[in-house]
Amino acid sequence: QVQLQESGPGLVKPSETLSLTCAVSGYSISSGYYWGWIRQPPGKGLEWIGCIYHSGSTYYNPSLKSRVVISVDMSKNEFSLKLSSVTAADTAVYYCASDSSGYSYDFWGQGTLVTVSS
Amino acid sequence: QSVLTQPPSVSAAPGQTVTISCSGSSSNIGKNYVSWYKQLPGTAPKLLIFENSKRPSGLPDRFSVSKSGTSATLGITGLQTGDEADYYCGTWDSSLSFGVFGGGTKLTVL
Repeated sequence: QVQLQESGPGLVKPSETLSLTCAVSGYSISSGYYWGWIRQPPGKGLEWIGCIYHSGSTYYNPSLKSRVVISVDMSKNEFSLKLSSVTAADTAVYYCASDSSGYSYDFWGQGTLVTVSS
Repeated sequence: QSVLTQPPSVSAAPGQTVTISCSGSSSNIGKNYVSWYKQLPGTAPKLLIFENSKRPSGLPDRFSVSKSGTSATLGITGLQTGDEADYYCGTWDSSLSFGVFGGGTKLTVL
């Protein structure tokens, strides 16, 4: 069973870059799957941010594409999210998740709350 | 607003049946598999249904899905208090190659 764990700062200043890492265990990223980031603002619904295929191909939400970079570190079996020029609207619980089929996220991390505030 | 449209809330009594709709377009639901997720307060979403109608092992057959054209519907029979949660539909949008979710539906078991 795949296990995922997000890590990173819980507080980011406006205009700065939000950086999160997702450590994967139970499966080698290099073996396959899509690896995604999803966020949920407090009291609101899920928003898909983007994903990366094990080959390195990336896909991003068009509304966030200019600010997002998702990358993989095979040596550490983890993948990362960078979201630049953040504002208060980027305050959310950020989840990392695995997608074995290309269409659904079967395993999720517990989520990490990131607050954007000065 | 979300690319996929769900009713904000539904409710029914224990033992009853409830349906949750998810409406999209020809570039997402009309072309790709739909998945459904259940989210309890303060926890991560959990995959409920994948590839339109498949259930992960261990999920009871009280949960079913139908899909027609650009819409999908999740049905839950024999409602239990443990079914009370937020439910989200999700799929892939082929127009610009990105993932999409519905706005979520809060299920209340009266």
